[in-house]
Amino acid sequence: GAVVSQHPSWVICKSGTSVKIECRSLDFQATTMFWYRQFPKQSLMLMATSNEGSKATYEQGVEKDKFLINHASLTLSTLTVTSAHPEDSSFYICSAPRAVGKDTQYFGPGTRLTVL
Amino acid sequence: LAKTTQPISMDSYEGQEVNITCSHNNIATNDYITWYQQFPSQGPRFIIQGYKTKVTNEVASLFIPADRKSSTLSLPRVSLSDTAVYYCLVGGQRAGNMLTFGGGTRLMVKP
Repeated sequence: GAVVSQHPSWVICKSGTSVKIECRSLDFQATTMFWYRQFPKQSLMLMATSNEGSKATYEQGVEKDKFLINHASLTLSTLTVTSAHPEDSSFYICSAPRAVGKDTQYFGPGTRLTVL
Repeated sequence: LAKTTQPISMDSYEGQEVNITCSHNNIATNDYITWYQQFPSQGPRFIIQGYKTKVTNEVASLFIPADRKSSTLSLPRVSLSDTAVYYCLVGGQRAGNMLTFGGGTRLMVKP
């Protein structure tokens, strides 16, 4: 079946550094991908919609200059957390819709970011 | 996007059938109902999707009444490995349609 991968699966960084998270669709193309953030024991919160070949669309309250999204190809979207701080520590998950006409999303395994 | 309401948590025992109900009173005509399962530190996984009446697959059944204002996910004979958070989502049947997650239901299966 369709697989969405993320890399890295976990990362620990120092405060002030930038971290890049990759999201790949492995056997299908995705013109749109979604990025979510999930804090412990909370639900997923949509951060932004990544659009291939154009700018990402950010949800209200999400700083676009802090969370840089690049959707450079039909199988890759990247999320860069710039100047990370401890409050950015979270579980980041991406997803991609499977096919035209379907509402099903395939989710990546998530990336655990810990900022010291 | 239609808002969904689910119980925050449920407890069950191994071998029992578990039914999780989701309310979505303002569901639109073209909205499908989809359920996802999430284990700790993993991304959500698709379980089942339906539009009306009953849908069954190898994992679960989904019951949707005629007014479609609610739906019930039924997990037959749960095991400890079914302990997870279950999310009910309602969204349009269009590719790329973003998903808005509600709080989900935390199911705890006990031995």
